[in-house]
Amino acid sequence: NAGVTQTPKFRILKIGQSMTLQCTQDMNHNYMYWYRQDPGMGLKLIYYSVGAGITDKGEVPNGYNVSRSTTEDFPLRLELAAPSQTSVYFCASSYSNGGAPQETQYFGPGTRLLVL
Amino acid sequence: GEDVEQSLFLSVREGDSSVINCTYTDSSSTYLYWYKQEPGAGLQLLTYIFSNMDMKQDQRLTVLLNKKDKHLSLRIADTQTGDSAIYFCAESERSGYSTLTFGKGTMLLVSP
Repeated sequence: NAGVTQTPKFRILKIGQSMTLQCTQDMNHNYMYWYRQDPGMGLKLIYYSVGAGITDKGEVPNGYNVSRSTTEDFPLRLELAAPSQTSVYFCASSYSNGGAPQETQYFGPGTRLLVL
Repeated sequence: GEDVEQSLFLSVREGDSSVINCTYTDSSSTYLYWYKQEPGAGLQLLTYIFSNMDMKQDQRLTVLLNKKDKHLSLRIADTQTGDSAIYFCAESERSGYSTLTFGKGTMLLVSP
């Protein structure tokens, strides 16, 4: 059982380049999330999805886009990379049936992005 | 908006108890979590507590919640060098809607 996987593990981008961070989960979770973690800081929510075809903005969505065409995949797109997007990006997933208590979020290992 | 605050650093000796503290501002916080992050790794859920509880024990971990003061603590008994990591406190205010607000993390250093 792989859980939440992320690719790539590390990437260097030039300013203005674009890239897609991949995230896949094999736990049949309906909720998926993208967070960024800046040095010495907690995680900030970028986008989340409550199911295939449904996405919504988190706390820091500017400069990013997401899609959720399948339950398993939740890619994060950077269209015009900026130095301020240098961070570690974590994908997470959880299951909720809507009426149940908060379920555990499972995190991937992270993608380290450096924008120069 | 919601805010979660933690002390940044804690150093203990192996075998001692560690207590990591967290305060939060949102009185509607329903669930409170402790996550552990080892170097170069993602976050691992250690334990969580519902807001209608004041204590939860899980092996070496004890979580205490003072809802009146909005204060959460994580006690690690018999701390080991493998417990060295960053510990994040997080809260969620709504059930069935799973976004979390994280603190900045407390780095725990355990020396032999």
